[in-house]
Amino acid sequence: DIQMTQSPSTLSASVGDRVEITCRASQTISKWLAWYQVQPGNAPKLLIYKASTLESGVPSRFSGSGSGTEFTLTISSLQPDDFGTYFCQQYLNYPTFGQGTKVEIK
Amino acid sequence: HVQLQESGPGLLKPSETLSLTCTVSGGSISDYDWSWIRQPPGKGLEWLGYISDSGSTNYSPSLRSRLTLSADTSRNQFSLTLSSVTAADTAIYYCASQPRSLTGTFYYFTFRGQGTQVTVSS
Repeated sequence: DIQMTQSPSTLSASVGDRVEITCRASQTISKWLAWYQVQPGNAPKLLIYKASTLESGVPSRFSGSGSGTEFTLTISSLQPDDFGTYFCQQYLNYPTFGQGTKVEIK
Repeated sequence: HVQLQESGPGLLKPSETLSLTCTVSGGSISDYDWSWIRQPPGKGLEWLGYISDSGSTNYSPSLRSRLTLSADTSRNQFSLTLSSVTAADTAIYYCASQPRSLTGTFYYFTFRGQGTQVTVSS
């Protein structure tokens, strides 16, 4: 299995802050990476696929970058509705997810 | 606008077989490929398996011996069967769509339902 490791595990930031979440793969996955947001009581929401392609309807403050083994999800200006847990997922082969990054609004 | 509805028993006993159904509405089961994903309480996401409308499947290696996926195009549904459940199978189970590629399928997911809670307890 390809292991996905996210950092940090938890972050607390203020509205308007720039937030970055890192995801590292245990082997190269090219750009076969997706990001999801999970809020309590809701199903996961696809934000980004192919490392940097924004899913339709997702606000442009979300962006993704990286290739190979290191990837970043950036929220350019944190909004109150951005709380939740963010997961990366590789799909080079059998899909595997990172352990999640919990984002709290100060 | 395709929507999904997961259904099945909320509570099972250890060693029983879990059966879940995902009903596709607002579109056809042939519009996408499909996967099942679960999230145990307080934990991360786990991909379980994939099925196409033609019945092609791909299973997580860790569950291959217990998992069976099937599709019923006449009912616009696809289903999951997981045998010999234990407490470790307690989770919210989601069905999700995934887009097709020119040569197969892409394994990233759009969750179009709310999921269904499954609890395994004696």
